[in-house]
Formats: sequence, structure tokens, C-alpha cells
Amino acid sequence: SSELTQDPAVSVALGQTVRITCQGDSLRSYYASWYQQKPGQAPVLVIYGKNNRPSGIPDRFSGSSSGNTASLTITGAQAEDEADYYCNSRDSSGNHLGVFGGGTKLTVL
Amino acid sequence: QVQLQQWGAGLLKPSETLSLTCAVYGGSFSNYYWSWIRQPPEKGLEWIGEINHSGSTNYNPSLKSRVTISVDTSKNQFSLKLSSVTAADTAVYYCARGEAGATTSLYYYYYMDVWGKGTTVTVSS
Repeated sequence: SSELTQDPAVSVALGQTVRITCQGDSLRSYYASWYQQKPGQAPVLVIYGKNNRPSGIPDRFSGSSSGNTASLTITGAQAEDEADYYCNSRDSSGNHLGVFGGGTKLTVL
Repeated sequence: QVQLQQWGAGLLKPSETLSLTCAVYGGSFSNYYWSWIRQPPEKGLEWIGEINHSGSTNYNPSLKSRVTISVDTSKNQFSLKLSSVTAADTAVYYCARGEAGATTSLYYYYYMDVWGKGTTVTVSS
């Protein structure tokens, strides 16, 4: 079982805003990182730290955090944003172990 | 631009040892966590473990008894060995570069910004 909990599936109408959430105790002290994965491809980092985007990631992707919940927001979702999204952090044990959420499948309608 | 190139055997029999290597091109090997992640068919990502340039390791407790991650700094490479494999170890295995640290707001950060393309490993008799 994962120490980070995500909704299995979320849908959004084209051009609308969607929020994908990730819950876990470690998120009270760790920023979540977020990864986009399309079928047959390796994951791609889209958000890290407080709200940082790697080079090449569109600014419609943003991140936020409150308490034990981290959120990835896509403002003006595009068809190419349809993918699986995973959150990631250290776990809450204090032993510097990595952990992923179970993933959220985003469908753009 | 940093790139990770990974390779290793793709078909194993039960009880054999999985062995994968990841080479780091175009960047420093120091000050990062060099990680392995796997993804079983139609399932999510699972963190296997990591090593830093000085050889300090962290492993997923569920795999710790079977996993060894090592580093060869002279070649800018790191490797994964997973012993006594079973069908449950069938997955795509990724190597990745990780960063971790503390911010001024007393929050910590941890992320993996560069990934290999993945190696499909199948365990079958």
C-alpha cells in the first residue's frame, strides 16, 4: 500500500481547470513532486518543490500544498495532457525512503 | 544535458538475479541520489531504492532483503541487482536522478528530474 493517496481517475473538459490531489503524512514536511506518464513512455517531472516547473513544462501546470495534501492544477487542460499523473515524496518514517502515490488517470473530454 | 542510458537482461527465469546498469552522461555524478523505480504491467510506480555518489544507500523495505544498488564513480554508472526473482518482479525498470534537500521555509524537497527510458524485465519459466 502507498503512503501517498491519489484518486484513481479524474476527468476534465477541454480548456477547463482540473486539480489532482495527493494526501499523505509526509506532505506536512515534504513538497510533493509530480510526474506525467503517457502510455509506453517514461515518467516526466512536471512540478517540484514549492511550485517549480522544469524547462519545457507549460505554465498551465502548477503545484500547491496545504497540510497533508498536495495538489497539481492544470489550468486550461489540453488534449495532450491526458495521461497518468503520479505524486512522489519521501515517506513519513524519517528514513529517507521514496514513495509514490498510486497514480491518477486524467481524461480530457 | 544529462542523459541516462540503461541496459540489462530482459528475460529471466524464476530464482535468477536481475541485473541492470545505468550510465550517466553529460553531468555531474556528485550531489545526487541515483535511483531505481519499477512499474509492473498496468500498475503504478514503485520506488526500489537509491544510492549517492559516496555509496550510501536507501532501499524500499519490501525489497530490501533482495536488493543491492551499487555505484562506479569512475564510469559514472550505477547498478541494480535483485535476487531470487519471481513473476511478481516482472516490470519496466527505470533509473533516475534524484535531488533532495531543505528549503528556507523548513519544508524539504525531493524529486527525480532525469529518467532513463526503461528496461522491460520479464520473469518466466
